Amino acid sequence: EPEVTQTPSHQVTQMGQEVILRCVPISNHLYFYWYRQILGQKVEFLVSFYNNEISEKSEIFDDQFSVERPDGSNFTLKIRSTKLEDSAMYFCASSEPREGGRAYEQFFGPGTRLTVL
Amino acid sequence: DQQVKQNSPSLSVQEGRISILNCDYTNSMFDYFLWYKKYPAEGPTFLISISSIKDKNEDGRFTVFLNKSAKHLSLHIVPSQPGDSAVYFCAATTTQGGSEKLVFGKGMKLTVNP
Repeated sequence: EPEVTQTPSHQVTQMGQEVILRCVPISNHLYFYWYRQILGQKVEFLVSFYNNEISEKSEIFDDQFSVERPDGSNFTLKIRSTKLEDSAMYFCASSEPREGGRAYEQFFGPGTRLTVL
Repeated sequence: DQQVKQNSPSLSVQEGRISILNCDYTNSMFDYFLWYKKYPAEGPTFLISISSIKDKNEDGRFTVFLNKSAKHLSLHIVPSQPGDSAVYFCAATTTQGGSEKLVFGKGMKLTVNP
């Protein structure tokens, strides 16, 4: 069964460093998302991406964050200058198109645990 | 901002019995609801969904019920199995207005005892 994959599974970085989290969405999906879950808190939406541009972003997704689809398979989340509070599990998700728009079911990868020291 | 609430953090049931997981929402714009299951060190796995035009959706052992007037939904698992032990998240979204995000509850840990 097709699945969303994410690398690395765990990333440790120093505060102020740049990190890039990578995702390979399910191949026929056209809508891509990033969410994060800080330990003990809810899964929170960060950004959605469709047709090579951001379609929606949350207040969390400030200028320190960016997303890119550098080729036909990868979808990346970059954090330019990490802060301690960026420590969280970051989940990539994708959804397939359906007639009239997107499908609402989103399929999640296993996550990248980001630890900022 | 608790638009989706799962008020019970945990539930423990015996194998073979029914598990009922509850979820409440406050945003009237939500019209599509999803349940996800999450094992440790894995991402959320889609389980079942329901549109607000329905009040029930069934898939094998899993049934979701929606009460729009009460802004309440529930997930029933019958019969419960030890492999169902996981954290269950309720999520909601709107199919109108172009918003694509899922809004999640805090999750409920289900333990099914053999």
